[in-house]
Amino acid sequence: AQTIHQWPVAEIKAVGSPLSLGCTIKGKSSPNLYWYWQATGGTLQQLFYSITVGQVESVVQLNLSASRPKDDQFILSTEKLLLSHSGFYLCAWSTGNSDYTFGSGTRLLVI
Amino acid sequence: GDSVTQTEGPVTVSESESLIINCTYSATSIAYPNLFWYVRYPGEGLQLLLKVITAGQKGSSRGFEATYNKETTSFHLQKASVQESDSAVYYCALGDDSNNRIFFGDGTQLVVKP
Repeated sequence: AQTIHQWPVAEIKAVGSPLSLGCTIKGKSSPNLYWYWQATGGTLQQLFYSITVGQVESVVQLNLSASRPKDDQFILSTEKLLLSHSGFYLCAWSTGNSDYTFGSGTRLLVI
Repeated sequence: GDSVTQTEGPVTVSESESLIINCTYSATSIAYPNLFWYVRYPGEGLQLLLKVITAGQKGSSRGFEATYNKETTSFHLQKASVQESDSAVYYCALGDDSNNRIFFGDGTQLVVKP
């Protein structure tokens, strides 16, 4: 069975500090991978997607970057956090056929 | 543009009452939109509740159902008799497989009173 694991579960970080959020998918070869973000009280928005290792497409510009160093790994990062980065981050995978599976998410508070 | 609008929450109903959460979509740049309802129970991740990829079809799961209506661009979620365990946040979503995009509504918190 396929599993999706996100880490960390929650973070409290200072403005200006770096951030790295991770997502690992097991049991599925060459999935499409996605990052989503939801500000408190806001809409869940797609940030990035990747259909293959080393390739990432940006959907919304939020001073964040994403990388796919391995087939089963998707990393979201920034070198300098802003207050506006606070929110809930979700990773997901699909085979590109309307079958999205989401992780449990990471709650980020920037202070 | 492409977007989803759904009933603003919280929606509060009593156990065994019927439920409808409205969802309408705009898919101006998507040739073949797919429609979804996702649910997030307290303390859990986002789960697929049901999906419909063909206009005119109905999806159902756990007593919930939704019909993909292309004429009214709607995908309302209904349940005849809710249970306390249905309390959760429900998200309507619009998918575009050709561009690897999915658009979510703002979510509707459902509170079911015993």
